[in-house]
Amino acid sequence: KAGVTQTPRYLIKTRGQQVTLSCSPISGHRSVSWYQQTPGQGLQFLFEYFSETQRNKGNFPGRFSGRQFSNSRSEMNVSTLELGDSALYLCASSWGQGVGDTQYFGPGTRLTVL
Amino acid sequence: GENVEQHPSTLSVQEGDSAVIKCTYSDSASNYFPWYKQELGKGPQLIIDIRSNVGEKKDQRIAVTLNKTAKHFSLHITETQPEDSAVYFCAASDDKIIFGKGTRLHILP
Repeated sequence: KAGVTQTPRYLIKTRGQQVTLSCSPISGHRSVSWYQQTPGQGLQFLFEYFSETQRNKGNFPGRFSGRQFSNSRSEMNVSTLELGDSALYLCASSWGQGVGDTQYFGPGTRLTVL
Repeated sequence: GENVEQHPSTLSVQEGDSAVIKCTYSDSASNYFPWYKQELGKGPQLIIDIRSNVGEKKDQRIAVTLNKTAKHFSLHITETQPEDSAVYFCAASDDKIIFGKGTRLHILP
């Protein structure tokens, strides 16, 4: 069974631009969660989607948004990029809803904001 | 707010010895405690998890213990091998999940 895939793997943007990241979950998984990983703040929860609905959200500004499609694939969007948004963005999928279900992580998208 | 403290931040052990990583959490509603291993250039990989109704769980060389009263849980790796070198994260979750800052484990030859 294929794992979680994320595209693109690497991205370079400049301040003020926006970016869209994509995540394809493991086949059959209906929940997708997004995380930001930085050396300073570690792994931080962004939001979780289940059956196309945002079920939970972390403490990030409204510039960070996401959505989930009927095939469970998910996208994350960051608008008006700031230097501090440079990070590894990880998505994880699980069969059931809630971050209390076993999650499987993708390899991440490394975003650099110049 | 909710917080997960993880110690130590760096750990070096001789190959074949045991490694122990400890975490404490603040939210008493947390009921799921996974541990992840992250290798360079990869996403975190679940290695073991424990739920609040269990005090200990073991999977080959890896074990996790949970003390809900004290709000702490620990990862134990026995007979360490070079491939155990990685960054390990603990986490505590209820509706949301909070991760520890990670422990970089070095296995010395």
